[in-house]
Amino acid sequence: GAVVSQHPSWVICKSGTSVKIECRSLDFQATTMFWYRQFPKQSLMLMATSNEGSKATYEQGVEKDKFLINHASLTLSTLTVTSAHPEDSSFYICSARLYGSETQYFGPGTRLLVL
Amino acid sequence: AQKVTQAQTEISVVEKEDVTLDCVYETRDTTYYLFWYKQPPSGELVFLIRRNSFDEQNEISGRYSWNFQKSTSSFNFTITASQVVDSAVYFCALSPNAGNNRKLIWGLGTSLAVNP
Repeated sequence: GAVVSQHPSWVICKSGTSVKIECRSLDFQATTMFWYRQFPKQSLMLMATSNEGSKATYEQGVEKDKFLINHASLTLSTLTVTSAHPEDSSFYICSARLYGSETQYFGPGTRLLVL
Repeated sequence: AQKVTQAQTEISVVEKEDVTLDCVYETRDTTYYLFWYKQPPSGELVFLIRRNSFDEQNEISGRYSWNFQKSTSSFNFTITASQVVDSAVYFCALSPNAGNNRKLIWGLGTSLAVNP
């Protein structure tokens, strides 16, 4: 149980394009999903927290117009990197948490390379 | 302040050795949760254990064991008879009772290399 998928696992795009990453909880309903960014050999950096049906809460320093998050259902959240630039290249990971549970279960991550 | 410290950045051991990964945390909350996650080279974070602040019993799961000591604010992780497949980055994390949505506070991780 507690499986989270992410799609795509890899994406290479040109500078200026937008990229959408999907995060799905496959066998449970996730009232809260989290989006993280991780640079090589570093820890996870929380970007935003999203609750189903409401606006995401962004961490300080994260541009909400740059990183659009939609949590339209209890099993799906999406992160759209708008007008991507090379500095947005990173490993993006989502996690999902069932209401009342303290444990976050993570997706396999998406590696984004912006050329 | 809420903080998690993993003082060991990198550890290298030879297969079958025992290894302990240290985790020290700071929080003023009386109720909180502690976690360990494993991140193998593939990148996916694998949940290993969750412990709440009221349960100080040590836990053993196969070759893995955890020692929770509130008196020293530590939650250390020991791998017995390490194997090459244990090579990964291990993160310790804290979920304080207060705050929105139970955000996790992460340590910087310990990179474990188990050599044949």
